[in-house]
Amino acid sequence: AQKVTQAQTEISVVEKEDVTLDCVYETRDTTYYLFWYKQPPSGELVFLIRRNSFDEQNEISGRYSWNFQKSTSSFNFTITASQVVDSAVYFCALHAGNNRKLIWGLGTSLAVNP
Amino acid sequence: NAGVTQTPKFRILKIGQSMTLQCTQDMNHNYMYWYRQDPGMGLKLIYYSVGAGITDKGEVPNGYNVSRSTTEDFPLRLELAAPSQTSVYFCASSYGQGNTEAFFGQGTRLTVV
Repeated sequence: AQKVTQAQTEISVVEKEDVTLDCVYETRDTTYYLFWYKQPPSGELVFLIRRNSFDEQNEISGRYSWNFQKSTSSFNFTITASQVVDSAVYFCALHAGNNRKLIWGLGTSLAVNP
Repeated sequence: NAGVTQTPKFRILKIGQSMTLQCTQDMNHNYMYWYRQDPGMGLKLIYYSVGAGITDKGEVPNGYNVSRSTTEDFPLRLELAAPSQTSVYFCASSYGQGNTEAFFGQGTRLTVV
């Protein structure tokens, strides 16, 4: 079975705090891809990152960083020095094997308060 | 570059009415998808298409129909609207079959009363 779990439904932080959004996935396929998408209050979904199962290097993009650990089947997302503009729902998703579809987590709603 | 364009952005339907949600993309993507998003429930796949003339059911296809006569367009049809179809609908497209970045439209907020 393929599954994505985002255990944190809602997170609230104060601006400038660091925050980590958890994503745990399940798949028996050895080839798979993991994604993060952002959905700001305006509603559209925006792609943030894609990682394939053969590349466990962590990635940093500005204040955003991603930690991929196959040993724990996790692909966590950290925002450093959070800003109000980071307030959004963040989705983790999995594509595995020959599946034509993405498996989506339920999302984590992040509120960054001034 | 327009990307994925969905119309309308908002719509109120009465029970039993029909409507078509329009979706067009200008990136020459073969893969297109329709999702619905209910509060706290994430995204659920309604239908998808791997190319012109080919469509397939997703997780929640009942009450919907699609067609894909061209690469660019992927309309979603609701034949007999029901309150359970009140949701936000997203159209998306991607170059690859799911292992590549998906581009989303701005969404259609549909209310059935």
